[in-house]
Amino acid sequence: DGGITQSPKYLFRKEGQNVTLSCEQNLNHDAMYWYRQDPGQGLRLIYYSQIVNDFQKGDIAEGYSVSREKKESFPLTVTSAQKNPTAFYLCASNDRGPGELFFGEGSRLTVL
Amino acid sequence: GDSVTQMEGPVTLSEEAFLTINCTYTATGYPSLFWYVQYPGEGLQLLLKATKADDKGSNKGFEATYRKETTSFHLEKGSVQVSDSAVYFCALSPFNTGKLIFGQGTTLQVKP
Repeated sequence: DGGITQSPKYLFRKEGQNVTLSCEQNLNHDAMYWYRQDPGQGLRLIYYSQIVNDFQKGDIAEGYSVSREKKESFPLTVTSAQKNPTAFYLCASNDRGPGELFFGEGSRLTVL
Repeated sequence: GDSVTQMEGPVTLSEEAFLTINCTYTATGYPSLFWYVQYPGEGLQLLLKATKADDKGSNKGFEATYRKETTSFHLEKGSVQVSDSAVYFCALSPFNTGKLIFGQGTTLQVKP
């Protein structure tokens, strides 16, 4: 079945460590997105990519980095520069242009 | 900039009650409008959408009408069930982009 796979589902890290969250899609979508979800704040866009080897900052990119070397993959690295990394991270994809976003099931990161 | 405002939750209803979740937006041009639903521990799923003024989106008994004159896209359901308990997000996609801008989410709890 086509869809978006995020891993790991749960991740615990010590403060100061970089962590990488995986996002893979087999929907043949051009565009991919990373959102962060915090209680009471909805979803905020971290980074997005509309085509391979190109990506743009969203509203809260500081402390995060991404790469888009393959169409199917859009990993997110949460660096030690991110001041409050504990959150639920959601990856999504769609064809370029307005339309429905398809979401993965999310990765919950807890920094101890 | 473009933004979405939803009524604050949580909303608590008895089974078979009528549901309204208010959503208003600010956008330039002609955005597409969406309602997404998130069940506990999961990613978001598209519930319904509308792409132009006066369009009505509907799915699973939920409805919302794109009202340009009041910049609103309120979600309604005539008779809620316990299984409708979830977080509901209103979102807009600015004209000619694939990004989504989300409201803060409204938690719905339906009691038997």
